[in-house]
Amino acid sequence: QKEVEQNSGPLSVPEGAIASLNCTYSDRGSQSFFWYRQYSGKSPELIMFIYSNGDKEDGRFTAQLNKASQYVSLLIRDSQPSDSATYLCAVNRGGGFKTIFGAGTRLFVKA
Amino acid sequence: SAVISQKPSRDICQRGTSLTIQCQVDSQVTMMFWYRQQPGQSLTLIATANQGSEATYESGFVIDKFPISRPNLTFSTLTVSNLSPEDSSIYLCSAHLGNTIYFGEGSWLTVV
Repeated sequence: QKEVEQNSGPLSVPEGAIASLNCTYSDRGSQSFFWYRQYSGKSPELIMFIYSNGDKEDGRFTAQLNKASQYVSLLIRDSQPSDSATYLCAVNRGGGFKTIFGAGTRLFVKA
Repeated sequence: SAVISQKPSRDICQRGTSLTIQCQVDSQVTMMFWYRQQPGQSLTLIATANQGSEATYESGFVIDKFPISRPNLTFSTLTVSNLSPEDSSIYLCSAHLGNTIYFGEGSWLTVV
């Protein structure tokens, strides 16, 4: 079992729709959860982090965490073509500082 | 956030040679990490660069192939030794700040 699992996609949504990206993790000791966005040919950039169960909103982005189900998601509202990228879920292993990444989900937003 | 500078940004190397990648952070950080991202793949952690002690390597990565230096709290180097085409990849330096890690721009390595 991979430490962090994501559907590789591609996920295709029309412009203005909500994109929903999902991630599961195996280590119950994980405490910190991150979403990064990576454009082709670029390094990852941090979108959001979440530590507590529930929802965390930042602009058009909402991260959702359910530690009991070992599940974290990212919702992108009013999706734009510029949101087309690979979204990487990342988890701190065992609550420490090592951050482990999922394989990423490719998102395409169609104009 | 932290500003992380990496160099070289891109290089083409002959097989059998070595490449050293430098990483500079604009503030003092305790934890620095080196990742590899092979074409079409996600990020794989190579090692944790510890200031004042040996680097800690992940399974599948060894010091002889990927020697790391961490001479102070703002700087680290990763050397990829005895290059083969399988080492063609993006190498990313990252720094742990607060509860988040931030990445440099990456070093694109092609081995021919």
